Amino acid sequence: EVQLVESGGGLVQPGRSLRLSCAASGFTFPDYAMHWVRQAPGKGLEWVSGISWDSGVVAYADSVKGRFTISRDNAKNSLYLQMNGLRAEDMALYYCAKDWGPLPRGYMDVWGKGTTVTVSS
Amino acid sequence: DIQMTQSPSTLSASVGDRITITCRASQSISSWLAWYQQKPGKAPKLLIYKASSLESGVPSRFSGSGSGTEFTLTISSLQPDDFATYYCQQYNSYSPPFGQGTKVEIK
Repeated sequence: EVQLVESGGGLVQPGRSLRLSCAASGFTFPDYAMHWVRQAPGKGLEWVSGISWDSGVVAYADSVKGRFTISRDNAKNSLYLQMNGLRAEDMALYYCAKDWGPLPRGYMDVWGKGTTVTVSS
Repeated sequence: DIQMTQSPSTLSASVGDRITITCRASQSISSWLAWYQQKPGKAPKLLIYKASSLESGVPSRFSGSGSGTEFTLTISSLQPDDFATYYCQQYNSYSPPFGQGTKVEIK
């Protein structure tokens, strides 16, 4: 079964850091680009970041550029999102999603259930 | 950056109705458009890609059309399981925006 399982969310104070993880199974993880997409409470979907199959291409939304870093470990079938300088507006459910192709510019055909990030003092 | 605008924001309909949701791009995106369905408390699910290609396992009552800047998602006969929020997404760029969503609710 194709599966993505996110972890690492939690309550964090403004300005602090958090690292999200996504464990992939059921498909050849190294062959595909991956994304992080978030959804603030009661709001729509917002693409956050994407990474190519070989980590050669990374992309970020303007809202997180310079604060968030996406990475992957193909040997561990894992995707990560390092979030620094967290703000109240970063509070959301963060989804890990698989791209249909090797570059992070396609549609997302598999999604995890998400991990919640709460930013509050 | 390309902006995606969906209409309507909310749509009230009954079981058996034919419904159409529109998604407009701020500039031409050829056929690089996907549609997703999201139910409350659940992750989004891919329905359609490349504007009109049905993802495997998705019922044939769902269909997509359009190219350039205007796209539609049609459900030919609304079923109870279809009440959800639907999002369009432009892709084939390194900053793939989503539309703001259309909530389909029971009339």
